[in-house]
Amino acid sequence: EPEVTQTPSHQVTQMGQEVILRCVPISNHLYFYWYRQILGQKVEFLVSFYNNEISEKSEIFDDQFSVERPDGSNFTLKIRSTKLEDSAMYFCASTSRGQGKLDIQYFGAGTRLSVL
Amino acid sequence: AQSVTQLGSHVSVSEGALVLLRCNYSSSVPPYLFWYVQYPNQGLQLLLKYTSAATLVKGINGFEAEFKKSETSFHLTKPSAHMSDAAEYFCAVSDLSGNTPLVFGKGTRLSVIA
Repeated sequence: EPEVTQTPSHQVTQMGQEVILRCVPISNHLYFYWYRQILGQKVEFLVSFYNNEISEKSEIFDDQFSVERPDGSNFTLKIRSTKLEDSAMYFCASTSRGQGKLDIQYFGAGTRLSVL
Repeated sequence: AQSVTQLGSHVSVSEGALVLLRCNYSSSVPPYLFWYVQYPNQGLQLLLKYTSAATLVKGINGFEAEFKKSETSFHLTKPSAHMSDAAEYFCAVSDLSGNTPLVFGKGTRLSVIA
């Protein structure tokens, strides 16, 4: 069964460093998402991406964050200067349909980001 | 704005006992509702979804959930717990415009005791 793949599974970084979290969505999917879950808290939406541009973003997704689809398969989340509070599990998700029709979001296993 | 509340961050049941995981939602528009499960070191996997058709929704692995508008609830049940059901369960809501971000609850960790 097709799946969303995220790498690395665990990323440790120093405060102030840049990190790039990588995701390979399911190949025929059109909508891509990033969510995060701080330990003990809810899974929160960060950003959605469609047709090579951000379609929606939350207030969490400030100027320190950016997303990119550099080629036909990868979808990345970059944090420019990490803070301690960025430590969380980051989930990538994708769906196969365009606007106006519900489809299921398929999630990756997540990347645990630890900022020291 | 939409929100989800999952009562109980940790639920423990004996093998063979009824599983009941509670979810209440708040939505200003008719909602789509979902239950996802996360097994250790794996992604979030869809268990079942409510999309305004039948109020009793059956999912994978013997789970089902009932949409009750009057109670704004979407509780997840399974008649008989199995050891393999031990996982984290997330309730989520989205609106009817399609492909919008999911709003999740905090999750409930289910432990199954032999």
